[in-house]
Amino acid sequence: DQQVKQNSPSLSVQEGRISILNCDYTNSMFDYFLWYKKYPAEGPTFLISISSIKDKNEDGRFTVFLNKSAKHLSLHIVPSQPGDSAVYFCAASSPEPSGGSNYKLTFGKGTLLTVNP
Amino acid sequence: DTGVSQDPRHKITKRGQNVTFRCDPISEHNRLYWYRQTLGQGPEFLTYFQNEAQLEKSRLLSDRFSAERPKGSFSTLEIQRTEQGDSAMYLCASSNTGQGGNTIYFGEGSWLTVV
Repeated sequence: DQQVKQNSPSLSVQEGRISILNCDYTNSMFDYFLWYKKYPAEGPTFLISISSIKDKNEDGRFTVFLNKSAKHLSLHIVPSQPGDSAVYFCAASSPEPSGGSNYKLTFGKGTLLTVNP
Repeated sequence: DTGVSQDPRHKITKRGQNVTFRCDPISEHNRLYWYRQTLGQGPEFLTYFQNEAQLEKSRLLSDRFSAERPKGSFSTLEIQRTEQGDSAMYLCASSNTGQGGNTIYFGEGSWLTVV
C-alpha cells in the first residue's frame, strides 16, 4: 500500500521554463510534507517543506503548494536550470505519538527531472 | 563540513558475512534515523533513535539487523549473515526536536553490494 505516490517517473523541461512535480497521498494523518532532491550515489538533500496548516510555501525558485482536500501537493521550480536535473522525492510524515511532528518520513518513488539547456 | 557523515560509502561483501555501517549525525541533533533505498524506490524507514533510546523499528528490520546509538551521538547499523536482498543504499539522517518543523537531514549514504 503506497501512501505517497509520484505518478510521473520522469519529466523533461527546457531551461528557463517552469517545472511542476506532483505528489499524491492517501493517509489523511499526514501533517507535514517535504521535497528532497537526489543526485545519483548521494543522499537526499532537503529542498522545501510545508505544514498542513498552510497551502503554499515559497523559497527562492521553489514553491510548494498543498491541496489538503485533494490530498495533493506540487513543487514548482521557476525558472528551471540544468543543475536542477535530479530525482525529486516527495515525503510525508504524520504526528508522532508524543505529539510532535515530522518523524518517520514516508517517501514516494521519485520523479526524474531533466532540464535541457 | 557539519552534515551527516556515513562510513563506509561503499561496501562489497560476500553473502553470509557481517557488515557494519557508522553514522555521525549533525552535532546538535538528538534524533537519528536509518533508512534503506533500493533501485527505483524511495527511501524506506528502518528505525530511529532519540538520544540513545531506539524508539521505533520497522517490520523491514529483520532480526539480522541491529542498530545502536550507545552514547546518543554516533550510531552503527550491523547486518549479520548478509543476503543478496540486503544490497541497497543505507541512509542515515538526523534532526533536532527543538527546532520548528524538525527538518530531517540525510547523509550521503552507504552502498552495500552483497555478492
